[in-house]
Amino acid sequence: DVKVTQSSRYLVKRTGEKVFLECVQDMDHENMFWYRQDPGLGLRLIYFSYDVKMKEKGDIPEGYSVSREKKERFSLILESASTNQTSMYLCASSNPGLAGREQYFGPGTRLTVT
Amino acid sequence: GDSVTQMEGPVTLSEEAFLTINCTYTATGYPSLFWYVQYPGEGLQLLLKATKADDKGSNKGFEATYRKETTSFHLEKGSVQVSDSAVYFCALRGSARQLTFGSGTQLTVLP
Repeated sequence: DVKVTQSSRYLVKRTGEKVFLECVQDMDHENMFWYRQDPGLGLRLIYFSYDVKMKEKGDIPEGYSVSREKKERFSLILESASTNQTSMYLCASSNPGLAGREQYFGPGTRLTVT
Repeated sequence: GDSVTQMEGPVTLSEEAFLTINCTYTATGYPSLFWYVQYPGEGLQLLLKATKADDKGSNKGFEATYRKETTSFHLEKGSVQVSDSAVYFCALRGSARQLTFGSGTQLTVLP
């Protein structure tokens, strides 16, 4: 089975801290994604990557950066956490190609910034 | 750009009731359409998908038909169970690599 793991299920950080969220997938997928999930807003794409060292901005990249040094690992970085970044963060991976290719999701990290 | 409009929740049903969650979309070209489900405390899982017009996706008793003429992909189940309680997301994949999601519909099924 495809497995996408995220480094923490719950995280509490203070305003201004630098925060790293890690995601690892074990299926050699080329594409990886970071979303945030907020009630009533669904999932919104923050950044995605379709190859090592490649990244593209999604719909809401402000306040975030990403790193992809290895194919299986995609990190989301909050340079200076703010309270409006309190959210559920979901990582996903997929392979390119056919339009019907699904994305596989990790369990999510619930981040609280105080 | 692409967008997905999903029936607002929450939806509360009794066990064995019929379920419909409406989903309509806006996209150029011929997108692929998906329903994902999120059980409490978990990430999203693919429930079903359809990649071309008139395709019907089905899984675990759930069905959805890709209707290009009405740009819809409504989710249905004939008899829901308590274990179906979850949040359901409609999504599309157009020409880009990423998915566009609806806002999600919370379903609660009471025994």
